[in-house]
This record gives sequence, C-alpha cells and structure tokens, in this order.
Amino acid sequence: GAGVSQSPRYKVAKRGQDVALRCDPISGHVSLFWYQQALGQGPEFLTYFQNEAQLDKSGLPSDRFFAERPEGSVSTLKIQRTQQEDSAVYLCASSRDEQYFGPGTRLTVT
Amino acid sequence: SQQGEEDPQALSIQEGENATMNCSYKTSINNLQWYRQNSGRGLVHLILIRSNEREKHSGRLRVTLDTSKKSSSLLITASRAADTASYFCATETGGFKTIFGAGTRLFVKA
Repeated sequence: GAGVSQSPRYKVAKRGQDVALRCDPISGHVSLFWYQQALGQGPEFLTYFQNEAQLDKSGLPSDRFFAERPEGSVSTLKIQRTQQEDSAVYLCASSRDEQYFGPGTRLTVT
Repeated sequence: SQQGEEDPQALSIQEGENATMNCSYKTSINNLQWYRQNSGRGLVHLILIRSNEREKHSGRLRVTLDTSKKSSSLLITASRAADTASYFCATETGGFKTIFGAGTRLFVKA
C-alpha cells in the first residue's frame, strides 16, 4: 500500500518567509511524528500527534514552529519567519506500532 | 539533544565481512530500535529490542542490548554493497519521544 508522503520534497525560502510542509500519513495510523534532521546528524524529535491531539510538542525549537493535524490524518508543519538555522530535512513518520518515515522535505533558507 | 551515541562514526569494510556498530545511551529506556537511512529508501526501521530482551535476530542482523552498560550493538553479517547506508539507534524512554543518535556511516566495498 501507499507509504507516508511529504510535500514539497524541496523548498527554498528566503529568510523571513513563512513555509508550510505537508505530511500524508499511512491511512489508519493514529500516531504521527515530526522530526528535524540536520546534515550529518540523526533526526531530532519535534512533535507528536495521536489522532488530532498534539500530545507532545516539547521538541519544537521556538514559537516560530507550529504543527497541526486538524482531522487526525494529514498534518502540516509551519515555520514562520524562517531563519538560516531552520535549513534541514523535515521528516514525518506515522505509526501503529513501528514508525514508517516519509521521504522528507529538504528546506533551504537563503 | 540526542540520547544515543553511535560508534564508530564511520566504517568501511569489504563485501562479505561483518559490520559491528555500537550505541550508548544515557537514561533508562523502554526499548531501543535500529534504523537504516540511505538516499534511495529514506529512513527504514530495522529491528526493535525491548528493555527486558538481551538479543534479537532478523535475517543477517543481530542486535544485543546491555541495560546495565546502557549500550547496544548491531551486527550485520556477510555484508553486501547494498548495506551501504547510515545506521541509527533510537531509544524510547516512555512518553512519546523517540531519541536518535548521530549515526554510523557504513560503506561496503564491492
């Protein structure tokens, strides 16, 4: 069946712009995670949803980062007023038991 | 902040040799997982070992866990060029976070 999909795959933003990254999880998966992966590093946890409830957002690096999953399916990670340090790959994963990762969105802030 | 630290950071071996990667972590865990990441298939879950287990096998993979030393190892036997990838350990400590290490970059020469 279809895996986790993310869009766009690549995004270039000028510093100060807002961006929105989309995640389509595997159908029926209750849990959804967002991670940030810097070059040469492992993924770092950002936030977790169980259905539409955001149960943990302790990994969001600043109040410029906001995530939502209003209907318990598709999720959007929004970054306001992007900074150069936001440049990274943003990974989404959904799970029923083990986590299945999407291909990621590579964000470059210039 | 990352909980796990993999060792070595990079490993280069010949096809057919075994590859061993180690992971150390800092706090008590519920389970530890190993993931593989390459450009072709993204981040893929390999194996999960629970805190009350000491060893687990899956195909050519063997994982051990020593909770007294807060360490785990991943052994890949009879390596193939297709095993070339980055390998990450990840821990779940309760709650919803999965904490990844910085990874070991494995290169298998044909």
